[in-house]
Amino acid sequence: EAGVTQFPSHSVIEKGQTVTLRCDPISGHDNLYWYRRVMGKEIKFLLHFVKESKQDESGMPNNRFLAERTGGTYSTLKVQPAELEDSGVYFCASSQDLGETQYFGPGTRLLVL
Amino acid sequence: GENVEQHPSTLSVQEGDSAVIKCTYSDSASNYFPWYKQELGKGPQLIIDIRSNVGEKKDQRIAVTLNKTAKHFSLHITETQPEDSAVYFCAALKYNFNKFYFGSGTKLNVKP
Repeated sequence: EAGVTQFPSHSVIEKGQTVTLRCDPISGHDNLYWYRRVMGKEIKFLLHFVKESKQDESGMPNNRFLAERTGGTYSTLKVQPAELEDSGVYFCASSQDLGETQYFGPGTRLLVL
Repeated sequence: GENVEQHPSTLSVQEGDSAVIKCTYSDSASNYFPWYKQELGKGPQLIIDIRSNVGEKKDQRIAVTLNKTAKHFSLHITETQPEDSAVYFCAALKYNFNKFYFGSGTKLNVKP
């Protein structure tokens, strides 16, 4: 069974540009999460989808971040326009049920110059 | 909300020695505590987890202990090997909630 996959693995962009990150969860997992780790700090929750619905966006930093999960399969996280402080590693995770183990993807390392 | 603190931030041990990483949490309603291992260039991988109805869980060289009263849990790795070198994260979750609260990570270095 394939794990959570993320694309791209790395992205280097200039301040003001747009970047779109993609996550493909484990097949059959309705719950999809986005997390971010900035500057060696803790991994922080961004948002949670159940199928195509956003259940919790409380961790999204601001309105420059937009997440979608059309069709309830893969998800995208768009940052527009990117700022320097958006640099970090963006992780996607998925789980079968709420409150259960979350399986993480390899992350997208974003560097905003 | 929940606050998870993790210590130490870095840990260096000799191959064959034991390593212990400790975490505390603030929300007594948290009841699921996973540990993740992140190797260079990879995402966090679950290595062991424990629920609040259990005080200790062991899987070969890895064990986790939980003290609900004190609100702390620990990861124990015995007979460490160089391939145990990685960043380890603890996390806490409340039943039927969605977000993990992570500790800040411990970079473990096992010297051959």
